[in-house]
Amino acid sequence: GNSVTQMEGPVTLSEEAFLTINCTYTATGYPSLFWYVQYPGEGLQLLLKATKADDKGSNKGFEATYRKETTSFHLEKGSVQVSDSAVYFCALSRNNDMRFGAGTRLTVKP
Amino acid sequence: DGGITQSPKYLFRKEGQNVTLSCEQNLNHDAMYWYRQDPGQGLRLIYYSQIVNDFQKGDIAEGYSVSREKKESFPLTVTSAQKNPTAFYLCASNSGTGDNQPQHFGDGTRLSIL
Repeated sequence: GNSVTQMEGPVTLSEEAFLTINCTYTATGYPSLFWYVQYPGEGLQLLLKATKADDKGSNKGFEATYRKETTSFHLEKGSVQVSDSAVYFCALSRNNDMRFGAGTRLTVKP
Repeated sequence: DGGITQSPKYLFRKEGQNVTLSCEQNLNHDAMYWYRQDPGQGLRLIYYSQIVNDFQKGDIAEGYSVSREKKESFPLTVTSAQKNPTAFYLCASNSGTGDNQPQHFGDGTRLSIL
């Protein structure tokens, strides 16, 4: 079946450091791929998405590229801020079946 | 502003009691979903509905029930048959028209056992 695997956390970085959170997926055909962010006590918010191979999704300085050849959708940001501290979820949707990774907790220290 | 409203934010259940979590959306979405989130785990699908008066079981439906009598509303009942109900419950919706449509989430209900 369809599934998502993302790097285990927690991840702790200093402010202005470079961020990478790895995400790989298993799916038949061509799923749509998403990154969501969850702040404490809240629901998930869409961060970015990509719907076909080689698409790059971007938002608020975050980027991720849909790599069909490596079945990956890694999240990157060049310079993180304290306000980026949250849990990040990678997800895919295929035939209206959405699957989420386990989430990666990011803490950014001043 | 359009969005999804979940209530209550916190809920406590006594032994043998059924409790109902509310989910309302004003996004005019056809599809609605209920997820359970446990610490350190991803979201697991409980039930989903693609259209009014129809719903399907997700991966962990045992001990839960739902109804979809109105497009805007998708309440979840946690029954006494659910032996480990302590979790964070999230409701979501989307247009249901394709894989490229992201889900929109409410702010969740945290259920605990008294």
